[in-house]
Order: sequence, then structure tokens, then C-alpha cells
Amino acid sequence: EAGVAQSPRYKIIEKRQSVAFWCNPISGHATLYWYQQILGQGPKLLIQFQNNGVVDDSQLPKDRFSAERLKGVDSTLKIQPAKLEDSAVYLCASSLVRGQPQHFGDGTRLSIL
Amino acid sequence: DQQVKQNSPSLSVQEGRISILNCDYTNSMFDYFLWYKKYPAEGPTFLISISSIKDKNEDGRFTVFLNKSAKHLSLHIVPSQPGDSAVYFCAVGGGAGSYQLTFGKGTKLSVIP
Repeated sequence: EAGVAQSPRYKIIEKRQSVAFWCNPISGHATLYWYQQILGQGPKLLIQFQNNGVVDDSQLPKDRFSAERLKGVDSTLKIQPAKLEDSAVYLCASSLVRGQPQHFGDGTRLSIL
Repeated sequence: DQQVKQNSPSLSVQEGRISILNCDYTNSMFDYFLWYKKYPAEGPTFLISISSIKDKNEDGRFTVFLNKSAKHLSLHIVPSQPGDSAVYFCAVGGGAGSYQLTFGKGTKLSVIP
């Protein structure tokens, strides 16, 4: 089966600019997650969707981050405006249902200048 | 305040020998435990999991042990192979109906031929 697809792989922007990341989960996976991984740290959950509804966004900085999952398939994560501390790898993951192992994409590496 | 700790940032093991990676957690409510492997520039790959009702789960060369009283889990790789060289993340979740995963910072395993 095809894995989780993410784009772009790399993005360089200046602080205060906006950026968007795209994720296509494994076909049939109802649950989708966005994680932020800062260098030297483990992935940190930002938001979790069940189909097209938000299950948990308690760690999403809502003043600058937003995410949506239209039609319960693809998802986008947006940062506006970006800050220097947002430099990280943004990982998307999906699972068949909640409680099943999550499968990760290769991530988008974001660098803020 | 780290809820999941991997106290060894790195580990070197000779090919053919056993690799033991350790992970400690603080919240006794966690009931779902996983190990992920990550190669550079790729997303984490699910390796093996264990639920709190078991104390051991085995899959080929990989075995995960869970000691609930000590809030400790470990991953054993026997025999270790050069292709096992990667960063290994421990992840824990569950409890009170939550499926959110919390990751450790990872341990970089180097298997020397």
C-alpha cells in the first residue's frame, strides 16, 4: 500500500511569512495527526483528526497555526506568521482507527530565516 | 517536565551482539507502548508495540519488555545488524480514553560491523 505522502519536502521562508504543508494519508485511514519535531527532540503532537473532525488540538499554537482536513482525506497545516522557533520537521501520520499504530510520512523540513 | 525519558542519547554495539534500548515513563495511566525506528531524512517507522496487559512481545529479532511497576520498557534487538543503525524512539499513550502519543527524545543506535 502507498504510504503517507507529504509535500513539500523542504521549505525555507523568512520570519513573519506564511507557509502551508500538505498531507495525504494512507487510503482508508480515518485518523490523521500532525507532529512537530524540533532538532534533538521526539515528535510532539500538534493536532489529531478523526475523519474531518478535530479530536485534540490542545498543543496547537492557535494564534499562528491552523489545520484542516476537508472531506476526511487530505489535510493542510498552515503557519501564519512564522517565527524563528517554528524551524522544525513537520510530520504527518495516519492510522486506521484510533489506538492502532501510526504510520508517518517523511516530513517537511521548515527553515525560518 | 518529560513524561517519557530515553536517558541514553546514543549506543554502540558490535554486529551480532544484543542491543538494549531503554525508556522510562512517569504516568501510570499510560497503557499503550510503542517503538519507532527513524533513518535520516525519513519519517519514523513503526517497529513493535505492547499493551499494558502483557509484559513481553516478540517479533523476529525484536522484543519489547514492559515493567509496569517500574514504569520502564526496553527494546532488545538480537542479533544486531548494521542495517539496524538508526534513531529509536519510545512512544507511550492511552489512559482515560486518550490515544495521544508522547515520544521520548530518541536513542541513536550504531551497529559496528
